[in-house]
Amino acid sequence: DAKTTQPPSMDCAEGRAANLPCNHSTISGNEYVYWYRQIHSQGPQYIIHGLKNNETNEMASLIITEDRKSSTLILPHATLRDTAVYYCIVRVAGSARQLTFGSGTQLTVLP
Amino acid sequence: DAGVTQSPTHLIKTRGQQVTLRCSPISGHKSVSWYQQVLGQGPQFIFQYYEKEERGRGNFPDRFSARQFPNYSSELNVNALLLGDSALYLCASSSLSPGQGATGYTFGSGTRLTVV
Repeated sequence: DAKTTQPPSMDCAEGRAANLPCNHSTISGNEYVYWYRQIHSQGPQYIIHGLKNNETNEMASLIITEDRKSSTLILPHATLRDTAVYYCIVRVAGSARQLTFGSGTQLTVLP
Repeated sequence: DAGVTQSPTHLIKTRGQQVTLRCSPISGHKSVSWYQQVLGQGPQFIFQYYEKEERGRGNFPDRFSARQFPNYSSELNVNALLLGDSALYLCASSSLSPGQGATGYTFGSGTRLTVV
């Protein structure tokens, strides 16, 4: 699976959009981008995933650049409960069995 | 419906001892994976079981072993504990068979193991 690079930490004001970047410059054509988050003292939680088109669900939006070398997870209206470590994972759906986590981005939503 | 249940939630062991951690997957889920999360790092894959068979193993020593039972619950065993085994041990269950994608994983809250 391709490696990812994320900033170690970010702050965001409550109610504002949180934009979390992820670099995956070595991504292959059949690899998807997945986002998970881990709230303190809990297990990771799936957020969203995509291949090359932008995706949106009830939790977040995922914007993937046209060359697919980077992506951004957008939390449109961040709340204090969104404070967590966010992990960007790149993997081939249908081949690798496990999730390979990096160090993630610690997002702190400030009141 | 109950989520992924792990027990115990916290555990303190002495170096050299053995420990067994338990995981009950979501009802109907046949796949169970184990991860180790050291403080400040992301989870690292240890094992995956599907239909009671080992389907994947991470880069961990033979002191780590696991099994899955007919009811799909699972145990992770660690022998000859080292201080470096202190970590949060996470269990994830999925209704998907290995290779069907990552969206189906549901994690438990983990077992915090401290080795002294």
